[in-house]
Amino acid sequence: SYELTQPPSMSASPGQTARISCSGDRLPNQYAYWYQQKPGQAPVLVIYKYTERPSGIPERFSGSKSGTTVTLTISGVRAEDEADYYCQSTDRSGSVVFGGGTKLTVL
Amino acid sequence: EMQLVESGGGLVQPGRSLRLSCAASGFTFDDYAMHWVRQAPGKGLEWVSGISWNGVNVAYVDSVKGRFTISRDNAKNSLYLQMNSLRPEDTALYYCAKDTGLQIAATGHWGQGTLVTVSS
Repeated sequence: SYELTQPPSMSASPGQTARISCSGDRLPNQYAYWYQQKPGQAPVLVIYKYTERPSGIPERFSGSKSGTTVTLTISGVRAEDEADYYCQSTDRSGSVVFGGGTKLTVL
Repeated sequence: EMQLVESGGGLVQPGRSLRLSCAASGFTFDDYAMHWVRQAPGKGLEWVSGISWNGVNVAYVDSVKGRFTISRDNAKNSLYLQMNSLRPEDTALYYCAKDTGLQIAATGHWGQGTLVTVSS
C-alpha cells in the first residue's frame, strides 16, 4: 500500500524556521495537503494543492515540492504553532492517504 | 458558518454494528465530496472512507472493505457510515470531513468527531 513518510518529531525555537518533510513516490503527480492538529482539537487544513494557503491561515505557513518530497515551512515559529502536522495525498486508486504525522515542539 | 456535527458513536461489543451520522450546514452540501477519518487514542490520522458529491464514487481503506459502507443523503445534508462486524481495532474518534471539491481528493473542513469504542 502507498505510504507517505514524515519524521516523527522535530523542534524549533521561537522565531526560527521549521521545515517538515513528507516523501512519497506519487507526490510529483498527486497533490499534497497539510493539516495542523493541536491537542484535543480537530485537524485544520493549512496548505492545499502543494502550495496554496486557505483563507485565515497565517502567511508564515507555506508549502513546496521537490521531486518526491513535499515540505511544510513555518517561518518565524511561534509557541502557538506547537502541534502535530500531517501530510496527505492520494494513492493510485484515488484513495486518501495520510502521513504518520510530525510532532513539532516549540522550545 | 460551516458546521459538521457527528453523532452515533458509543460503546459496542465486537461483532456488532453501529451507524454514524454527520449533519452538515453552512455550505452547499452536494457541491462537495465527503469523508470519514478516524484517530485511535494517541495515534495518527487514518482515512476510512470517502464519497463523491453525487454518491457514485466511493472508496475505503483496505481494513474496512466489506464491513463499512459510506452513504449520503443530499436532500438531508447528511453523511453516514454503517459499520458492521466491528473489531477492537476500530476503536477511535471518527471525524466527518468535507472535501475541497466534487470528487474524493482531500479533507478540508472537519467536525469535532464522535467516539467509537469496541470492547466486550
